[in-house]
Amino acid sequence: ETGVTQTPRHLVMGMTNKKSLKCEQHLGHNAMYWYKQSAKKPLELMFVYNFKEQTENNSVPSRFSPECPNSSHLFLHLHTLQPEDSALYLCASSQDGGQGADTQYFGPGTRLTVL
Amino acid sequence: GQNIDQPTEMTATEGAIVQINCTYQTSGFNGLFWYQQHAGEAPTFLSYNVLDGLEEKGRFSSFLSRSKGYSYLLLKELQMKDSASYLCAVRDGDYKLSFGAGTTVTVRA
Repeated sequence: ETGVTQTPRHLVMGMTNKKSLKCEQHLGHNAMYWYKQSAKKPLELMFVYNFKEQTENNSVPSRFSPECPNSSHLFLHLHTLQPEDSALYLCASSQDGGQGADTQYFGPGTRLTVL
Repeated sequence: GQNIDQPTEMTATEGAIVQINCTYQTSGFNGLFWYQQHAGEAPTFLSYNVLDGLEEKGRFSSFLSRSKGYSYLLLKELQMKDSASYLCAVRDGDYKLSFGAGTTVTVRA
């Protein structure tokens, strides 16, 4: 599946910068997700949106702020990040928000480096 | 929290078979997924098991034993392009998906 796109693919930012990550899904799904993937660690779920409503905030620091204007688009706004926030940020979408065999399809990710 | 364990790395020869094990301890169970992730790319869905037994899809098969909290992914007739990270993920009783850290498989000629 290549129905989930993310921009930018790479981002370098200073700790005082403000930037946004964008995700778009072309699969007609109703749920969208943000994950953080650090080296040698499991994917960490950050946020879940179902039908544009946030249904999960997995104790994410407020320097990460999600926005879901419609079922096809998801943003992650970043401000005053820390070097330990450097990671691959993956977006995913699924049809039904987690019931039964509902499968998540991932975008290619944004490789974020915080200096 | 959830606990999902899989080996960090495995190496095999082209044409061989490799079995990647995954053990889990979760509060409830609503299915287990395997994903493949090539370096720098998106994880892609490989398989889903919710009932005990073996699911076969071409060169890839996935097995589940719910009573043992155990699954494996079997890769047959290995090809160089199968070099990737393989992620085990479990959907718990609250329908949340938790991932293991992934197993990096290296296929050698």
